[in-house]
Amino acid sequence: SQELEQSPQSLIVQEGKNLTINCTSSKTLYGLYWYKQKYGEGLIFLMMLQKGGEEKSHEKITAKLDEKKQQSSLHITASQPSHAGIYLCGADMGGSEKLVFGKGTKLTVNP
Amino acid sequence: GAGVSQSPSNKVTEKGKDVELRCDPISGHTALYWYRQSLGQGLEFLIYFQGNSAPDKSGLPSDRFSAERTGGSVSTLTIQRTQQEDSAVYLCASSWDPASPLHFGNGTRLTVT
Repeated sequence: SQELEQSPQSLIVQEGKNLTINCTSSKTLYGLYWYKQKYGEGLIFLMMLQKGGEEKSHEKITAKLDEKKQQSSLHITASQPSHAGIYLCGADMGGSEKLVFGKGTKLTVNP
Repeated sequence: GAGVSQSPSNKVTEKGKDVELRCDPISGHTALYWYRQSLGQGLEFLIYFQGNSAPDKSGLPSDRFSAERTGGSVSTLTIQRTQQEDSAVYLCASSWDPASPLHFGNGTRLTVT
């Protein structure tokens, strides 16, 4: 079974609309990382969350880690075509140094 | 360059051949990771290096896969006797330490025919 579940798997929005992507774990998260990937490229680091209830923002993207540290959300305000890509969450679940990743959410923003 | 560099960017090989994939991490980064990305499978962890040591090799799919890191810098992932199921994008990432964000290279797209 997948340790990190992302939803939705894909999302198509009209430019200017807000959207939210979720990342859920059945285990406590010791660190949660959001990345963005464009086709044929590597992953670009967006934000890191470690504390329950933590919220970080960068430009029009806000990420939150819930109090129980088992779910994170990524919210994009007033989406633009440049936001299109695959968003992946990666998590430190404790016990090892590796990050476990979700399968990603493919975002399409139509002009 | 300032980022993680991987070579080659694309590799097509015949089934049964050996391949070597190279990763140049960001200078000073002590932690180095190899992941594999297949369509519909997400990112699959392969191996983690701290310096030249590999404390976690748990993700290597079979004994055909091996990796080494020398001088605390460059890493090579070797796949022997390649199979079609090895076709994927192989991503390398590095970080200052295991608690810091990973910085990824653009990957090597491996196609086994």
